[in-house]
Amino acid sequence: AQKITQTQPGMFVQEKEAVTLDCTYDTSDPSYGLFWYKQPSSGEMIFLIYQGSYDQQNATEGRYSLNFQKARKSANLVISASQLGDSAMYFCAMRFTGGGNKLTFGTGTQLKVEL
Amino acid sequence: EPEVTQTPSHQVTQMGQEVILRCVPISNHLYFYWYRQILGQKVEFLVSFYNNEISEKSEIFDDQFSVERPDGSNFTLKIRSTKLEDSAMYFCASQNRGNTEAFFGQGTRLTVV
Repeated sequence: AQKITQTQPGMFVQEKEAVTLDCTYDTSDPSYGLFWYKQPSSGEMIFLIYQGSYDQQNATEGRYSLNFQKARKSANLVISASQLGDSAMYFCAMRFTGGGNKLTFGTGTQLKVEL
Repeated sequence: EPEVTQTPSHQVTQMGQEVILRCVPISNHLYFYWYRQILGQKVEFLVSFYNNEISEKSEIFDDQFSVERPDGSNFTLKIRSTKLEDSAMYFCASQNRGNTEAFFGQGTRLTVV
């Protein structure tokens, strides 16, 4: 069965520092997509970044980059130059080609950015 | 920028009552979803909808749940007889093509009392 694991329930980072949020996955499906979403305290789910299993390069979107290590089945989110507004819950999610188009979410990591 | 819109933002209902949660997906999107998030827990898939029919549903989506796209713009989730354990944040999401990101609405917080 496909599974997403986020082992860090909470993380702290100082403003302007970089932080890595871990995500590992388990699937035998060769084709899949990996997503990161941000959920601030207001509750909405904000799409951050996407990585396809066949993409040759790691995805980047502004201050967000995805450290995709296919052999290790990991898709860690790196946030550079953290800002106070980055404080939120971050969810890793996966779409398995054999599983329709639904997203399977990890349990999330609560990130707190400190001065 | 187009967005997914959900109404109401918060609904309180008595156990046993029917509720309808409403969503307006992004206009040119083809795939529609409902997810739920019980407070403090992870986001769980409920149902996906494509080409005017349910394409997949989870074990959570039992006979008490139904979805409809009545008029080509709205996408609704109905819970026929709410239970206390239905209290959660319900998210609608839409997607343009099969391999693109899903955009989520801001959620409806359902409280069953």
